[in-house]
Amino acid sequence: DAEITQSPRHKITETGRQVTLACHQTWNHNNMFWYRQDLGHGLRLIHYSYGVHDTNKGEVSDGYSVSRSNTEDLPLTLESAASSQTSVYFCASSEYPSGENEQFFGPGTRLTVL
Amino acid sequence: QKEVEQNSGPLSVPEGAIASLNCTYSDRGSQSFFWYRQYSGKSPELIMFIYSNGDKEDGRFTAQLNKASQYVSLLIRDSQPSDSATYLCAVNPELTGGGNKLTFGTGTQLKVEL
Repeated sequence: DAEITQSPRHKITETGRQVTLACHQTWNHNNMFWYRQDLGHGLRLIHYSYGVHDTNKGEVSDGYSVSRSNTEDLPLTLESAASSQTSVYFCASSEYPSGENEQFFGPGTRLTVL
Repeated sequence: QKEVEQNSGPLSVPEGAIASLNCTYSDRGSQSFFWYRQYSGKSPELIMFIYSNGDKEDGRFTAQLNKASQYVSLLIRDSQPSDSATYLCAVNPELTGGGNKLTFGTGTQLKVEL
């Protein structure tokens, strides 16, 4: 079955380290998204991509970067981790141009920056 | 800043009752609207989407949209303890395509009591 996976599921790192969170989907969706979810803020969009080599900044992109070298993967990199980036990160994908606008979410990565 | 507002709750209803969840949005140009359910520690999953004024029913769930009032709601009939979760309202500025960004509310926590 097609799916969307994230790794690692849990990560503890130190301030200043570079961290990469992986997202892989097997639906062949063009659109992929990264969100962070924090208590009181809901889901906030970090970066998104509408296809290979396309990346766009979302609402809270400072300190994060993404690259899209193939359809299946959109890794999220924290260039220099900060305690403010402690959060749960969700990757999502959707089909374009057809589909019902549904975004399918991965299981999430819980990141703790000490 | 485009906003989606939800009462954080918790909204408590007895088993078998109707749960009513509400959402308002600020972008008058918004075209499609989504309700996601999120169990604690899990990722969001789509329950329903709606893009026309009026009601849309799917099993025990009914989504209601009033674009003039910028208001969307979700009714859950015959509420069950398994419906206890956080319900996220999301808004898409584009009617079709599936590629556009979603703006999420912070969610309403629903508790269905035995």
